[in-house]
Amino acid sequence: DTGVSQNPRHKITKRGQNVTFRCDPISEHNRLYWYRQTLGQGPEFLTYFQNEAQLEKSRLLSDRFSAERPKGSFSTLEIQRTEQGDSAMYLCASIRTGSTDTQYFGPGTRLTVL
Amino acid sequence: QKEVEQNSGPLSVPEGAIASLNCTYSDRGSQSFFWYRQYSGKSPELIMFIYSNGDKEDGRFTAQLNKASQYVSLLIRDSQPSDSATYLCAVNTNSGSARQLTFGSGTQLTVLP
Repeated sequence: DTGVSQNPRHKITKRGQNVTFRCDPISEHNRLYWYRQTLGQGPEFLTYFQNEAQLEKSRLLSDRFSAERPKGSFSTLEIQRTEQGDSAMYLCASIRTGSTDTQYFGPGTRLTVL
Repeated sequence: QKEVEQNSGPLSVPEGAIASLNCTYSDRGSQSFFWYRQYSGKSPELIMFIYSNGDKEDGRFTAQLNKASQYVSLLIRDSQPSDSATYLCAVNTNSGSARQLTFGSGTQLTVLP
C-alpha cells in the first residue's frame, strides 16, 4: 500500500453515462497525476496538478474528460458521455515536489463501459 | 517511433536464473529512469529508480543506465516464481513543466518453478 487511495476500485457503466473517480494522494504530496492504462500497454499520462492548479493536459484528454483538485487535496476525474473506448484502468499517482520524482501509484479504478 | 520501447516478451526464465529486461528511450534530455512491476489486475509498483550512468543495486535487482546509448536495463538475480509479472520501464520526460512519466508497453516475465 503506497498511501494513495482511489475509489471506486471498479465501475461498470453503460455507454453514454457519466462517471466520476476519486483519488486521495499521500497527504504531503503536492503533485498529483492521472494516467490511463489499457490492456497490454503502459500507463499514458492524462493530466497533472500542482496543488489545486491543473498545469498540463495531454491531448488524450478529450473534452468529455474533466479533472479537478479543489483545495489541493483529493482529485476527481469525470468522464461525460462514456464510450466503449474509455474502458481502461485509471491510475492516480502523487509526488512531493523536490523529492526524487518518484511517483507512487494508487490501486487504480477499472472502468468497463458496456 | 515510440518514446520508450521494451521487448513485450513473454520472457521465460527458470527459477534461480538471471532475468534481463531491456528498455530504450528516444528523449536525450531524459534524466530519471524507473522500473515498475505490475501484477495482473494491479497497479504499478516501484522497484527501482536510477539517475546516473552505471549500475545501481538493490537486493536481487540491478538497474543499469547508459545515457549515451539511451538504454536502461533491469537484472533480476535468483529469479523467483513471485517475480512473474509485467515490468514497466518509465522515463521522466521534461515535457512542459509536468515531468510526467512516459512508459514502455512492458515486458511480461514468467519464472518457471
